Amino acid sequence: QQQVKQSPQSLIVQKGGISIINCAYENTAFDYFPWYQQFPGKGPALLIAIRPDVSEKKEGRFTISFNKSAKQFSLHIMDSQPGDSATYFCAASMADKLIFGTGTRLQVFP
Amino acid sequence: GAVVSQHPSRVICKSGTSVKIECRSLDFQATTMFWYRQFPKQSLMLMATSNEGSKATYEQGVEKDKFLINHASLTLSTLTVTSAHPEDSSFYICSASAPGTGELFFGEGSRLTVL
Repeated sequence: QQQVKQSPQSLIVQKGGISIINCAYENTAFDYFPWYQQFPGKGPALLIAIRPDVSEKKEGRFTISFNKSAKQFSLHIMDSQPGDSATYFCAASMADKLIFGTGTRLQVFP
Repeated sequence: GAVVSQHPSRVICKSGTSVKIECRSLDFQATTMFWYRQFPKQSLMLMATSNEGSKATYEQGVEKDKFLINHASLTLSTLTVTSAHPEDSSFYICSASAPGTGELFFGEGSRLTVL
């Protein structure tokens, strides 16, 4: 019940394309769903986050879509750039305790 | 945004020695901090929740006598890996919640290599 499933494991996108990463959770008590970006050898950095009372949130090129009934949420990166190449983790939180997805390694080629 | 600092960023030690990693919230007070462990190309696994002024709460399977956590002030939590062995080599990351925002901010991580 504490798992957060993330897919795909890896993703290759051409520059300018849309990168889509999906996550699913089981525990309906989760109340905060952030996405983190991590570069090699660095800690994760918060990209964007959403709470379950909202179905979509957009910040610049990054959009979270949230489907409460399906217990799924996804990250869309529009106009993907080589600098977006990193590992992305979704997470679900309850009382500040984060459970991370397994991660998606994104590579954006010029 | 809020800043969480970890020190050291890299540490190499001999098997059997103990290593201390510090996690500081630089511009806010954190009553709760979290410690994660990350193996290469894997996700972050929560090890323990560090509570200021009280004992840490450890996740299932994490040895509390092996990984000592002290949260002595509202801006500092420490993780001590005792009697380190090569299998303890990993990337250790802390996080803290900024009050009023609900956002969790992460440190830059500490890479431990045990020879």
